[in-house]
Amino acid sequence: GNSVTQMEGPVTLSEEAFLTINCTYTATGYPSLFWYVQYPGEGLQLLLKATKADDKGSNKGFEATYRKETTSFHLEKGSVQVSDSAVYFCALKDSNYKLTFGKGTLLTVNP
Amino acid sequence: EAQVTQNPRYLITVTGKKLTVTCSQNMNHEYMSWYRQDPGLGLRQIYYSMNVEVTDKGDVPEGYKVSRKEKRNFPLILESPSPNQTSLYFCASSLYSGTGIYEQYFGPGTRLTVT
Repeated sequence: GNSVTQMEGPVTLSEEAFLTINCTYTATGYPSLFWYVQYPGEGLQLLLKATKADDKGSNKGFEATYRKETTSFHLEKGSVQVSDSAVYFCALKDSNYKLTFGKGTLLTVNP
Repeated sequence: EAQVTQNPRYLITVTGKKLTVTCSQNMNHEYMSWYRQDPGLGLRQIYYSMNVEVTDKGDVPEGYKVSRKEKRNFPLILESPSPNQTSLYFCASSLYSGTGIYEQYFGPGTRLTVT
């Protein structure tokens, strides 16, 4: 079946550092891809998405590009802030009725 | 404000005592789903519903029941909770069309402890 693999955490960075969280997927066809963010004590929020190959999703300074040749959707941000500390989930639209999530990556940004 | 609400947010109960976690959305979404989140396992889908009176099993449905009598509500029922159902539960909703679901909107979560 379809699956999502994202880098193990936790990831700890200093403020203004560059962030990359790797995400690769296994799927048939051309699934839509998502990044969700979960701030402490809250539910998941959609951060960005891409629906076809070579699409770039972006929001709040975060970016991810849908790479079909490498089956990847890596999340990047050029300069992280303390307020970006959260758990980040990569996900794919597995079918008409389901999202499949990666296990999540905890990011901690220190001042 | 568009939102998904869950109640209760926190619940401690004992093995075998039936409980219901409510979920409600005000966005007129057709699709609703329940997930559980466990450390190292990410989110796993329990049940989903594509419309009123239409429900189906997700990846981990054992020990859970759901119902969808109204479009806005999708309660999760644990008839006889066990300690392995201790988890963080999320309800989500989404628009649904011929091409399937769109991005999902999540509730704030319900932390359940079964002793």
